[in-house]
Amino acid sequence: AQTVTQSQPEMSVQEAETVTLSCTYDTSESNYYLFWYKQPPSRQMILVIRQEAYKQQNATENRFSVNFQKAAKSFSLKISDSQLGDTAMYFCAFMKHEVQGAQKLVFGQGTRLTINP
Amino acid sequence: DTGVSQNPRHKITKRGQNVTFRCDPISEHNRLYWYRQTLGQGPEFLTYFQNEAQLEKSRLLSDRFSAERPKGSFSTLEIQRTEQGDSAMYLCASSFLGAGYTFGSGTRLTVV
Repeated sequence: AQTVTQSQPEMSVQEAETVTLSCTYDTSESNYYLFWYKQPPSRQMILVIRQEAYKQQNATENRFSVNFQKAAKSFSLKISDSQLGDTAMYFCAFMKHEVQGAQKLVFGQGTRLTINP
Repeated sequence: DTGVSQNPRHKITKRGQNVTFRCDPISEHNRLYWYRQTLGQGPEFLTYFQNEAQLEKSRLLSDRFSAERPKGSFSTLEIQRTEQGDSAMYLCASSFLGAGYTFGSGTRLTVV
C-alpha cells in the first residue's frame, strides 16, 4: 500500500517570502502521479500542481513549483512570492497510474500554511 | 456548469439516526468518488463509481454505509445508525477518464 507523509503540520511566513512544503511517499509502483492540493478554510479542495513520475522535469505553475526526487521518494512544493490568498491547508497526494482502475488518491496529513501580512 | 455540488453543507444528527448526503458531479464526468476527511487529517478514499457501477469500496465503508449512483448521474451516500465516530467532512469528487479530480465543498457531519 502507498503512504504519503507530510512532516510539517504548520508553517507560517511573511507575505512575499518563499516557502517550501515537504512531502515524502512510499510506493513500489513505477508509474504514478503526485499532486499538491490546496484547501482554503471552508472552501473546496483545488489542484495546485501535478507531476507525472515518468517525467524528470519538475512541474511549474506560475508561482508554484515542485522538487521531485524520484529515488528519494520526495515531492516538495515551493511557493514563491507568497500571497495572503495562499493561506490554506496543503495536501500532498499520490495516485497509482491505472487506466481501468479506480485512480484513487492517497493523501498526506496536510500542512497548514499561514501567510502573514 | 457550476462544478461539483454537495448538499447539505452541514448536518447535525443524533447518534443512531440515519443521514443521507447528495452529490451532483460535473455532468460529463463518468467517475465519481467519495472521501472522508476527519479533523486535522487528509481525505481518505471511501468508494468509487464509474457511471452507475460501484467498482471499488474501501474497508472504511462499513455495513452501515451505502452509496448509490442511479443512472450514472448524481450520487447519494447514506449512513445508517450514525455513531460519533462518523463525524467528519464527506467529500465528493468527479473526473472524466481520470483526467483530474474536481472536488465539491463537502458535507460536514456532526453526530451528537
